[in-house]
Amino acid sequence: DVKVTQSSRYLVKRTGEKVFLECVQDMDHENMFWYRQDPGLGLRLIYFSYDVKMKEKGDIPEGYSVSREKKERFSLILESASTNQTSMYLCASRSYGETQYFGPGTRLLVL
Amino acid sequence: QKEVEQNSGPLSVPEGAIASLNCTYSDRVSQSFFWYRQYSGKSPELIMSIYSNGDKEDGRFTAQLNKASQYVSLLIRDSQPSDSATYLCAVNGVTGGGNKLTFGTGTQLKVEL
Repeated sequence: DVKVTQSSRYLVKRTGEKVFLECVQDMDHENMFWYRQDPGLGLRLIYFSYDVKMKEKGDIPEGYSVSREKKERFSLILESASTNQTSMYLCASRSYGETQYFGPGTRLLVL
Repeated sequence: QKEVEQNSGPLSVPEGAIASLNCTYSDRVSQSFFWYRQYSGKSPELIMSIYSNGDKEDGRFTAQLNKASQYVSLLIRDSQPSDSATYLCAVNGVTGGGNKLTFGTGTQLKVEL
């Protein structure tokens, strides 16, 4: 059974804090993704990675960075959190051409 | 034109009826297509995948693909209140080197008693 886990289900941070969201998958997938989801806006891709240490910008990368030092782990970093980054963050992984699996999500509130 | 388009709904159907969810896409060379279900506050979960033209059935769910018309649909037979959710259509085209899916914004389905 494919498993994608995220480090936290809920997070509350203050404006200006550095925030780390971590994602781990156990299926040896090459590709990993970070999305944010906001009401009425659907899923928006922030960054994705197709291999260790490789990354590509998605549709809304501003204010975010990522790290992939190991194949199974993909981290999303908010260098200086702002209130407009309050959102649901979803991690996902897939092998090329195959089904994409999502983690449970992290609901982040920035005060 | 959006790459993947879905009617946002809500689509309301009575319990026991057939719900029909539609999706169109713009990338002609798209190869694989997925339907995800997302309950409020939860993450998307895969319902169906389809790769070739025609119908694919799995229990109460049928996915239909027409590549010539760039159209994919999901039928839910004998709709249940537990089917009430947002359904996301996803397409694997050539963007991002073929590594990423493009998602529609989803159709909200409400199954009424």
